Formats: sequence, C-alpha cells, structure tokens
Amino acid sequence: DQQVKQNSPSLSVQEGRISILNCDYTNSMFDYFLWYKKYPAEGPTFLISISSIKDKNEDGRFTVFLNKSAKHLSLHIVPSQPGDSAVYFCAARGKGGSEKLVFGKGMKLTVNP
Amino acid sequence: NAGVMQNPRHLVRRRGQEARLRCSPMKGHSHVYWYRQLPEEGLKFMVYLQKENIIDESGMPKERFSAEFPKEGPSILRIQQVVRGDSAAYFCASSHRLDEQFFGPGTRLTVL
Repeated sequence: DQQVKQNSPSLSVQEGRISILNCDYTNSMFDYFLWYKKYPAEGPTFLISISSIKDKNEDGRFTVFLNKSAKHLSLHIVPSQPGDSAVYFCAARGKGGSEKLVFGKGMKLTVNP
Repeated sequence: NAGVMQNPRHLVRRRGQEARLRCSPMKGHSHVYWYRQLPEEGLKFMVYLQKENIIDESGMPKERFSAEFPKEGPSILRIQQVVRGDSAAYFCASSHRLDEQFFGPGTRLTVL
C-alpha cells in the first residue's frame, strides 16, 4: 500500500532548463510534505517543505507546489545544474502527532551539462 | 556543528549473529527516528524515540528488532539473529520537536 507515489523512476534534463519532479499521495491525513535529495552512499538531505495550509513554497532555485484537491505535489528546480543530479524523495507526515515520515520510492534526476 | 552521526558505516554479519547500529543525534535534538531502505525502495519508518522513551514503534518487525535511546549516549538499533533479508541501509534521523528531520549517512548492513 504505497501512500506516497513517485511514478517516474528517472528524469533527464539539460543544464539551465527546468526540472519538474512529481509526487502523488493517497492519505488525506497528511498535512506536511517534504522533499529530500540523496547522493549515493549518503543520507537524505532536506531540501524544502510545505504545509497543507499553503499551495506554494519557494527557496532559491527550488519551489514546491501543493494541490490538495488532486493530492499532488511537485518540485520545480530552475535553473537545473549538474550538481542537482541525485535521487529525490518525496515524503509526507500525518496529523495527530505522528512524526513518522512516509517516503516515495524516489526519482533519479540527471542534469546533463 | 556536527550533523547526525552513525556508526559503523558498513557492517557485515553472518546469519544468526547480532547487529548493533549506533546513532548520535544533532546537538540539541531530542527526537530520534530510524528508517530502513531496501534496494530500489524508499525509506521505511521503523521507530521514533525520545530520551528513554519509545514513542512509535509501528514500523518495527515484531521479532528480533529493538531500539533504545538512553539518557546518556547514542541511540541503538539492535537486530538479533540476523537473516539475509535484513541486509539494507539503515538511516537515523533527528529533529528538534516538530521540525524537519535531518538524516545521518546511514549504516549499510550486509548479512552473509
């Protein structure tokens, strides 16, 4: 029962262009969403988050959009850089004091010079 | 300002042995989480602890796995009588109250 889904396993973009990473969720009890970046043999690194009371959050080159009615969020990276090449995980946290994060399977982003 | 520390980074055990994974949270963080990542999968929650208390262990297998976060010292994830299916990357994360979780580099467990 995959509550957080990243349906595309990989994405390849050209340096300078926009990268759009998508994530869908099924549990309407999720109220906080996060994106993590992960390099091989390292732990996930927190990128950006969004609360369910917002529909957009921006931090430098990274913007996360949340569409609650569609249970969909996306991460936009613009402009993309070769150093952005990594696996990106979408994660969600539920209401009611539960602190555990539910992760998607991840998507590998490759930014070509 | 050191981040989350995990050791060992790599651990090899034979079937039936015990594995002990250690996690030192970031300074000032009192919440610790353990996650497991199987090959080609996302991270799966295992357990959430605060000092001397297990808050949520809904993701822990019922047998052979245990976790603690003592008043002094690191958090320990213990796996008794390991089997090949326990081979995975185990990540520890810490947070300050309800803030974002910061992850350690992980321990890669290989069971022969």
